[in-house]
Amino acid sequence: EAEVAQSPRYKITEKSQAVAFWCDPISGHATLYWYRQILGQGPELLVQFQDESVVDDSQLPKDRFSAERLKGVDSTLKIQPAELGDSAMYLCASSLADFNSYNEQFFGPGTRLTVL
Amino acid sequence: AQKITQTQPGMFVQEKEAVTLDCTYDTSDQSYGLFWYKQPSSGEMIFLIYQGSYDEQNATEGRYSLNFQKARKSANLVISASQLGDSAMYFCAMREDYTGGFKTIFGAGTRLFVKA
Repeated sequence: EAEVAQSPRYKITEKSQAVAFWCDPISGHATLYWYRQILGQGPELLVQFQDESVVDDSQLPKDRFSAERLKGVDSTLKIQPAELGDSAMYLCASSLADFNSYNEQFFGPGTRLTVL
Repeated sequence: AQKITQTQPGMFVQEKEAVTLDCTYDTSDQSYGLFWYKQPSSGEMIFLIYQGSYDEQNATEGRYSLNFQKARKSANLVISASQLGDSAMYFCAMREDYTGGFKTIFGAGTRLFVKA
């Protein structure tokens, strides 16, 4: 069964360091999402790609966060420098398309980031 | 204002009994979608059920059903015959139209505990 892959599963870093997360969506899925989930809350969309183009990054803290999906397949989310408040689960999801109200998103296992 | 409200931080249910998880939403759109996802302790989000705003019948998927009351803007999840493996976080989500496309917004979640 096709799955969304993410790595690493866990990351511990010190504040002011750089971290990077990788996501490989289900083959053929044009839309890719990065969510941040703070403990005790629901996921919040950080950035959404349609193929290689960013369609929504309104909630991405662009002074420290960056995301790319250069070939429209896998994607990398980077934080530089990391801050204590960035400690959270980072979830990647993918879907076939994003053009109507029905949109089943398939989620990866997430990367749990701890910033010390 | 909260777009998705889940008022039950935690719920307990006896194994084999039914349980209802509440969800209310706020939107002025006519076309929108409502979803429920399950998040076990392992972290991945699992799609459970979908209800479109124009669907006249309540959605059902196996032991899951969605009690959709459009006028009250509620979309409660009903799990019948609870199993120990149903213990998890449950998130209600809504997809609504915004300038440029659709966006999925998640509630804060309800943690379900199934007792043996």
